[in-house]
Amino acid sequence: DTGVSQDPRHKITKRGQNVTFRCDPISEHNRLYWYRQTLGQGPEFLTYFQNEAQLEKSRLLSDRFSAERPKGSFSTLEIQRTEQGDSAMYLCASSSLTGEDGELFFGEGSRLTVL
Amino acid sequence: KQEVTQIPAALSVPEGENLVLNCSFTDSAIYNLQWFRQDPGKGLTSLLLIQSSQREQTSGRLNASLDKSSGRSTLYIAASQPGDSATYLCAVRANSGYALNFGKGTSLLVTP
Repeated sequence: DTGVSQDPRHKITKRGQNVTFRCDPISEHNRLYWYRQTLGQGPEFLTYFQNEAQLEKSRLLSDRFSAERPKGSFSTLEIQRTEQGDSAMYLCASSSLTGEDGELFFGEGSRLTVL
Repeated sequence: KQEVTQIPAALSVPEGENLVLNCSFTDSAIYNLQWFRQDPGKGLTSLLLIQSSQREQTSGRLNASLDKSSGRSTLYIAASQPGDSATYLCAVRANSGYALNFGKGTSLLVTP
């Protein structure tokens, strides 16, 4: 089991550009989560998928943000027209419906810097 | 809205000391509570998960307790080592919804 994988690990972009992050969860984990973390703060919840269905979205997820999980496996998080305030670490996590219920496993994160 | 507070914000101890990290939450209607460790610039590593029906969980030198009625959890680290230096985060999942609500963490430094 290779753990949660995120790509890219680092992204530097100019304000106004679009960026996309990818997350590959632990195999057979059907729950997938996106969080955002800024310096000195705990992670903040963005969205949750169960299989391919997006079941919960935070109010933090403005209309510039969109997340997909088309086949219930990997997920993408796209940010359109990036702003400097989007600079953060974007964390993906997965968990299983069976087994230890609710334990989340996180990836190493994708750090976004918007210039 | 669930508020999660962690005290202290930072802690420095000499190697070998036992220590306690505190976490409090405002809404006792929780599904579970999870403790994580985060090294600088890295993702989160799960340490312990406590279901709402449980009082404590143990893993090696770590012990986490949960008092749901008072809205508190503690993480006890025995015989601390320099390798324990990291930020420790407490997160609570409510009975409704799937989101974890995190505290801001306790930054721990264990000096040799």
